[in-house]
Amino acid sequence: DGGITQSPKYLFRKEGQNVTLSCEQNLNHDAMYWYRQDPGQGLRLIYYSQIVNDFQKGDIAEGYSVSREKKESFPLTVTSAQKNPTAFYLCASSTRRETDYEQYFGPGTRLTVT
Amino acid sequence: GQQVMQIPQYQHVQEGEDFTTYCNSSTTLSNIQWYKQRPGGHPVFLIQLVKSGEVKKQKRLTFQFGEAKKNSSLHITATQTTDVGTYFCAGPERGSTLGRLYFGRGTQLTVWP
Repeated sequence: DGGITQSPKYLFRKEGQNVTLSCEQNLNHDAMYWYRQDPGQGLRLIYYSQIVNDFQKGDIAEGYSVSREKKESFPLTVTSAQKNPTAFYLCASSTRRETDYEQYFGPGTRLTVT
Repeated sequence: GQQVMQIPQYQHVQEGEDFTTYCNSSTTLSNIQWYKQRPGGHPVFLIQLVKSGEVKKQKRLTFQFGEAKKNSSLHITATQTTDVGTYFCAGPERGSTLGRLYFGRGTQLTVWP
């Protein structure tokens, strides 16, 4: 089955700890994205990567870091510098064709930091 | 910066009533995409519109792309409880057909049986 997997579905951490969220895709997509979703806020872009070993900041990158060492994987680290990390985190991927480049989303990880 | 605005933020309808959500971009878009997110789920791609004035239908859903390619709408005829969810529009970065998408805040649809 082709798709995007995110693990775990729920994650609980203590304040001051870094935490890494996993995102893996087997769709052979070049581009991958991380979004944060808060109630009533829609989807806010954290980081995105168009190709391996390259990534760009989105609109709310502060307090987050990413890596793209493999085409299939785009892990997101939520650092202790992120002031309000509790949220629903969604990973997505897409092709880089000029047509049919819709984004495919993973099931998401709900992070709670106390 | 580039923005995509979407209204209304919430819509409550009785089953059988129609529903429309509107999307406006601060820039001309090369195309626009629509997504649906069911409660507790993740966004799922519905459709992409590319041409000026384009209209596409998916059963009870009608999607339109404005003549100036700066606005779009999604209309649902005779809503059903299965239509419940949040509908997002999204447009690509200005001057590009690729790259990141700018998402609207979404319209959360509730359907009363």
